Amino acid sequence: DAKTTQPTSMDCAEGRAANLPCNHSTISGNEYVYWYRQIHSQGPQYIIHGLKNNETNEMASLIITEDRKSSTLILPHATLRDTAVYYCIVNQAGTALIFGKGTTLSVSS
Amino acid sequence: DAGVTQSPTHLIKTRGQQVTLRCSPKSGHDTVSWYQQALGQGPQFIFQYYEEEERQRGNFPDRFSGHQFPNYSSELNVNALLLGDSALYLCASSQVSVEKLFFGSGTQLSVL
Repeated sequence: DAKTTQPTSMDCAEGRAANLPCNHSTISGNEYVYWYRQIHSQGPQYIIHGLKNNETNEMASLIITEDRKSSTLILPHATLRDTAVYYCIVNQAGTALIFGKGTTLSVSS
Repeated sequence: DAGVTQSPTHLIKTRGQQVTLRCSPKSGHDTVSWYQQALGQGPQFIFQYYEEEERQRGNFPDRFSGHQFPNYSSELNVNALLLGDSALYLCASSQVSVEKLFFGSGTQLSVL
């Protein structure tokens, strides 16, 4: 079973920042937080992952709280192409990724 | 550089039949994972192959089996198909030491 809780859906205006929350209150010290997204009719796409420090790449930023019980994925300037299902996954290195139902993000103009 | 390729893209089968789905991993990847995604659900982990051995397995019956070849490509076999096996089957590849998965676009299986 998925170890994370995410809102079912969120809306965001194009050009604004999209902040997607994820709760993972039972996370263990050796478990990472991963984010993937799935655009309609495609396979999931890796976005970012982190252990306890905040991370940033060309796609997004990941903010992990100090107690590691929750995190936020930030898309700084959402576009229509960011409309997708976003999955937050907690995973121990070397084990299979277990997906939940994710958050459906709708970006509108 | 081709990413993860899966074949066929669509498939229609009848209950009780057997099906084989194929996956070629991204160049340089040695690990292949298979997922089943029902409509409106997140992907469900079936199993993972590394060095031609099943390394991990999810909660799927023995009707689901797989194989990995020396060139790292993989097959997923499903026997005695049920209506409930209708789903999108996704293949993902990775390097064993790196957790980042690259997914193919999937095979849409319909069981009638």
